[in-house]
Amino acid sequence: EVQLVESGGGLVQPGRSLRLSCAASGFTFNDYAMHWVRQVPGKGPEWVSGIYWNSGRTNYADFVEGRFTISRDNGKNSLYLQMNSLRPEDTALYYCAKDISSGGYSGYDVWGKGTTVTVSS
Amino acid sequence: DIVMTQSPLSLPVTPGEPVSISCRSSQSLRHSDEYNYLNWYLQKPGQSPQLLIYLGSHRASGVPNRFSGSGSGTDFTLEISRVEAEDVGVYYCMQALQPPLTFGPGTKVDI
Repeated sequence: EVQLVESGGGLVQPGRSLRLSCAASGFTFNDYAMHWVRQVPGKGPEWVSGIYWNSGRTNYADFVEGRFTISRDNGKNSLYLQMNSLRPEDTALYYCAKDISSGGYSGYDVWGKGTTVTVSS
Repeated sequence: DIVMTQSPLSLPVTPGEPVSISCRSSQSLRHSDEYNYLNWYLQKPGQSPQLLIYLGSHRASGVPNRFSGSGSGTDFTLEISRVEAEDVGVYYCMQALQPPLTFGPGTKVDI
């Protein structure tokens, strides 16, 4: 069974850092691009960042550029999101998502259940 | 950034009746490989979004054949031939042509 399990969320003060992890199983992890997508309750999903299968390309939404860093460890079937300089508006449920294709970005066909990040003093 | 719009934003439905949701993009989603990089997702209450349709018209694995996608360029449609009670939730279109990958505002479907 294809599965993505996020961890690392929690309550953090503004300006502090947090590192999210995503453990993947049930598919050949190093064949696919991966993404982080977030969602505020009651709002639509919002793409945060994506990374190619070989880490050769990374992309970020404008609102996180320079503060967040996406990375992956294909040997550990794991995806990461290092979040620095967190702001209250970063509060959301953060999903790890697998890309549909083995090429570049085509969207997401598998989502995790998400990990909640709350930025508040 | 590519802006996605959907209509309607809210859609009360009757089981057994057909349903149609429209999605438009601010620029063409047709790639040089001739595919349209437009996907449809359904988010049921309390769940993660699930993929219904990818590349404009390809039904994802396990999706009932009452769901179909059509369109090209900037105009796309998701159709449910006969809606069922389990189809309630919010439907999102999403473009994957170029980063940032952007979603439409969602269409809430309820009985």
